[in-house]
Amino acid sequence: AQRVTQPEKLLSVFKGAPVELKCNYSYSGSPELFWYVQYSRQRLQLLLRHISRESIKGFTADLNKGETSFHLKKPFAQEEDSAMYYCALTLTGGGNKLTFGTGTQLKVEL
Amino acid sequence: GAGVSQSPSNKVTEKGKDVELRCDPISGHTALYWYRQSLGQGLEFLIYFQGNSAPDKSGLPSDRFSAERTGGSVSTLTIQRTQQEDSAVYLCASSFPGAPLHFGNGTRLTVT
Repeated sequence: AQRVTQPEKLLSVFKGAPVELKCNYSYSGSPELFWYVQYSRQRLQLLLRHISRESIKGFTADLNKGETSFHLKKPFAQEEDSAMYYCALTLTGGGNKLTFGTGTQLKVEL
Repeated sequence: GAGVSQSPSNKVTEKGKDVELRCDPISGHTALYWYRQSLGQGLEFLIYFQGNSAPDKSGLPSDRFSAERTGGSVSTLTIQRTQQEDSAVYLCASSFPGAPLHFGNGTRLTVT
């Protein structure tokens, strides 16, 4: 069965410091990985997906199949990055359910 | 256009009562999901509808939970004989197959 692990429930960093939100997955096939974000009082929304290989709001994530990881990184945290971040996985090819991790609350302090 | 709409936004019910939660997906989206969001539990998958295929009900926690999707559009999640542990935010999401999910604002269910 597919599984997503986010080991940190809460991550607190200072503004301007680098951020790394960890995500590990277990799946025997070829997965597609996503990061979703939920800002305070807003609905959950897509941040980025690994097949796009793009940087969104300064965040990047690289799929490491050897380590089965998809960590989310940003070199310099901003106050507006404070939010709940969820890593998610699905099967390649579409039409399959999305499995989420338990989420990491990022708090950026001034 | 309109996003995913869920109603009610808040529901308080007494233990043992039945509740119905409604989801209006984005028009044209063939995939529809229900998730449950609890403190410390992340997003728990409940059920997944894709077009005319049989739904994936593998996440429903007990037979008190059921969901249907009428006409490939609106979906209703029903919880019978509610228990206090059912208290959570119930999220609905829709998408095209393989595309990113669009979430609703959720229904906050409180069972007293």
